Amino acid sequence: RKEVEQDPGPFNVPEGATVAFNCTYSNSASQSFFWYRQDCRKEPKLLMSVYSSGNEDGRFTAQLNRASQYISLLIRDSKLSDSATYLCVVNFNTGGFKTIFGAGTRLFVKA
Amino acid sequence: NAGVMQNPRHLVRRRGQEARLRCSPMKGHSHVYWYRQLPEEGLKFMVYLQKENIIDESGMPKERFSAEFPKEGPSILRIQQVVRGDSAAYFCASSQPGHPETGELFFGEGSRLTVL
Repeated sequence: RKEVEQDPGPFNVPEGATVAFNCTYSNSASQSFFWYRQDCRKEPKLLMSVYSSGNEDGRFTAQLNRASQYISLLIRDSKLSDSATYLCVVNFNTGGFKTIFGAGTRLFVKA
Repeated sequence: NAGVMQNPRHLVRRRGQEARLRCSPMKGHSHVYWYRQLPEEGLKFMVYLQKENIIDESGMPKERFSAEFPKEGPSILRIQQVVRGDSAAYFCASSQPGHPETGELFFGEGSRLTVL
């Protein structure tokens, strides 16, 4: 089983739609969680951290469910510029902290 | 303040040659990570280093690959006797002390290795 699993998509949605991505992780000792965004042939960039209480940043909402070991990202009112690959990221301590990336979920927002 | 600097951005090697990829972390960052990304695939963790110390190399292939982060100078990922399967984008990221609790990795633009 992969340490971090995501639905690869692609998700094809119209502008203005709401879209949700889920991610599951296998290591119950995982300690911190993030969503990154990667545009085609570019480097990943931090989108937002994910907190147990859930957190929101504009049109983006992230949720963490430790009991079920999954993380979600909700994007409201999708924009064309949201088209990218969204990477679920988990940190855990294996004697030295390791940051593991999911394979990513592709989103295409169309006019 | 310059971000994470990787060079070369593009590197072409023939099978059997050596590839050296360099990464200078952001100023003040003492942790460096290397990831490999194959076309149409996700980032695969390779190695995590601090200055003069390899913290976690569980993602590094057992042969031909090595990494270092010396006291002075950039981190270097070295691939000996390259094969076609080594063709990929290699991303370096850096973080401040206190990561990963604080979260953010800052990535370089990547080095794209093509093995002919």
